[in-house]
Amino acid sequence: DIQMTQSPSSLSASVGDRVTITCRASQGISNYLAWYQQKPGKAPKLLIYAASTLQSGVPSRFSGSRSGTEFTLTISSLQPEDVATYYCQKYNIAPRSFGGGTNVEIK
Amino acid sequence: QVQLQESGPGLVKPSGTLSLTCAVSGGSISSTNWWSWVRQPPGKGLEWIGEISHSGITDYNPSLKSRVTISVDKSKNQFSLKLSSVTAADTAVYYCARVGLGLSAASDYWGQGTLVTVSS
Repeated sequence: DIQMTQSPSSLSASVGDRVTITCRASQGISNYLAWYQQKPGKAPKLLIYAASTLQSGVPSRFSGSRSGTEFTLTISSLQPEDVATYYCQKYNIAPRSFGGGTNVEIK
Repeated sequence: QVQLQESGPGLVKPSGTLSLTCAVSGGSISSTNWWSWVRQPPGKGLEWIGEISHSGITDYNPSLKSRVTISVDKSKNQFSLKLSSVTAADTAVYYCARVGLGLSAASDYWGQGTLVTVSS
């Protein structure tokens, strides 16, 4: 099975900072990569699919990119409402496994 | 607007079978989408359990495959999850979700989740 390694597991940044989260696939998955945001007690929310396509209604400060088997989620200017855990998911073939998650806090 | 709602017992005895249903509204389960189950143990990350197409084709997580059955009921516009021989390690919040197609095959609509505790 393809493994998804997400880093860092947690980060603390100031409001307005640029935040970057990385997800690395153990094998090629083309652009079949999604990013989700999960707030405490809530279901995950789709932010980005196809590695870089912003889901409708998601603020433009969120963006995604791909370089080979490394994928990046960037928050261009961290806002208080962005405090959450972020997960990547590969979905080219089953199992559609998730990364381990990144907990984002405000410094 | 598609909505999904999980339902089922919140407490299951060890060695028993966990059974959950996901009711879909605002859309047809007979569409070309697939429908999935994801779980999250308390304080831990997300685990993909499996998914089903409207025609009943299934894909399961190999780590759970021997214990999992996902089925669809088109007449009720819902799909279901059964997990057998449960242990405390199966205690989790269980989510159902809609899966898109092709490069859009991420999960765009989710249920609110339901906590299932395995305990005697």
